[in-house]
Amino acid sequence: AQSVTQLGSHVSVSEGALVLLRCNYSSSVPPYLFWYVQYPNQGLQLLLKYTSAATLVKGINGFEAEFKKSETSFHLTKPSAHMSDAAEYFCAVSVVWGAQKLVFGQGTRLTINP
Amino acid sequence: DAGVTQSPTHLIKTRGQQVTLRCSPKSGHDTVSWYQQALGQGPQFIFQYYEEEERQRGNFPDRFSGHQFPNYSSELNVNALLLGDSALYLCASRLTQGNDSPLHFGNGTRLTVT
Repeated sequence: AQSVTQLGSHVSVSEGALVLLRCNYSSSVPPYLFWYVQYPNQGLQLLLKYTSAATLVKGINGFEAEFKKSETSFHLTKPSAHMSDAAEYFCAVSVVWGAQKLVFGQGTRLTINP
Repeated sequence: DAGVTQSPTHLIKTRGQQVTLRCSPKSGHDTVSWYQQALGQGPQFIFQYYEEEERQRGNFPDRFSGHQFPNYSSELNVNALLLGDSALYLCASRLTQGNDSPLHFGNGTRLTVT
């Protein structure tokens, strides 16, 4: 069975600072990995996805993530935080491409300080 | 192009009652799945519908059931509601065929059980 662990339920950074949200996964087969963002009272929006084509994945809004098999990690980064980045971020894993069943982590709430 | 739409947006029910939530997938999508997101948690997969049949199910009791209609819309039914069923229920859809069709999520239905 797959699982995802997001380290840090809350992360706070200053505007303009580096954003780093941590995600570690467990999977017995090569995984597909995703980062989603959830703004208040909204559903989930896909930020980026890893499908084994490239280990460094670029997404929307300036976010990127790097797949590291040796560390079973898929951390999300953004060089310079904007106030609009404040939201809940979820890492998710699937073992079948195109599967509807994703296994999500607990989420990390990102706060941006002015 | 309408995305995934869910109704109602909010719902309050009493323990023991039954509830029906509705979802219209994004235009052109034919597969629908449902997720439960408890407060402060990541979404959990309930089940998936394709061609009007339940194709995959998560770890949820039989009190949770669903249906998919010929127009691909879907319903989630929960019987004998418990306080612990209070959550945000998310519907997601995708196009089954195609190598790069991500999940699209609706904004959810917030269910409160009192």
